[in-house]
Amino acid sequence: KAGVTQTPRYLIKTRGQQVTLSCSPISGHRSVSWYQQTPGQGLQFLFEYFSETQRNKGNFPGRFSGRQFSNSRSEMNVSTLELGDSALYLCASSQGLYSYNEQFFGPGTRLTVL
Amino acid sequence: GNSVTQMEGPVTLSEEAFLTINCTYTATGYPSLFWYVQYPGEGLQLLLKATKADDKGSNKGFEATYRKETTSFHLEKGSVQVSDSAVYFCALSASTGTASKLTFGTGTRLQVTL
Repeated sequence: KAGVTQTPRYLIKTRGQQVTLSCSPISGHRSVSWYQQTPGQGLQFLFEYFSETQRNKGNFPGRFSGRQFSNSRSEMNVSTLELGDSALYLCASSQGLYSYNEQFFGPGTRLTVL
Repeated sequence: GNSVTQMEGPVTLSEEAFLTINCTYTATGYPSLFWYVQYPGEGLQLLLKATKADDKGSNKGFEATYRKETTSFHLEKGSVQVSDSAVYFCALSASTGTASKLTFGTGTRLQVTL
């Protein structure tokens, strides 16, 4: 079974631009979550989608948004980029929403904001 | 809120040494507990998990036991290898309602030398 894939793997943008990151979950998984990883803040939860609905949201400004499609693929968007948005963005997929469901992570998208 | 506390790194060990990485948590209800590993330039890989008190998760020689009385989930390995060098994250997933959001510790870098 193919793992979680994320595209692109690397991205360089300038302040004020917007960016869209893509995530394809493991086949059969309906839950997709997004996390931001930075050296200063560590791993922080952004949001979670299940059956095209946002089920959970972390403490991030409204510039961070996402969506999920009917095939469970997900995208996240960051508008009006700031230098502090430079991070590794990780997507994880899971079969369900319960705490015991394992989350499987993709390789991440490394975003650099100049 | 939920939180995870891990021992500070880096941890430097010689090959074949015994490894312990401490992890304690604060959570409401009965969380599931996980250890993830991150190799350089990669995403997170699930190492092991435990979903209820006294469960022992194990994989690739690593073990951790869910101790509710001490709210701990310490990672152990009897004999480390150079290939175990990576960053290890302890995480919990809340059990209240349908919630699969992971709360991570800060990570512990392990360096194994010959």
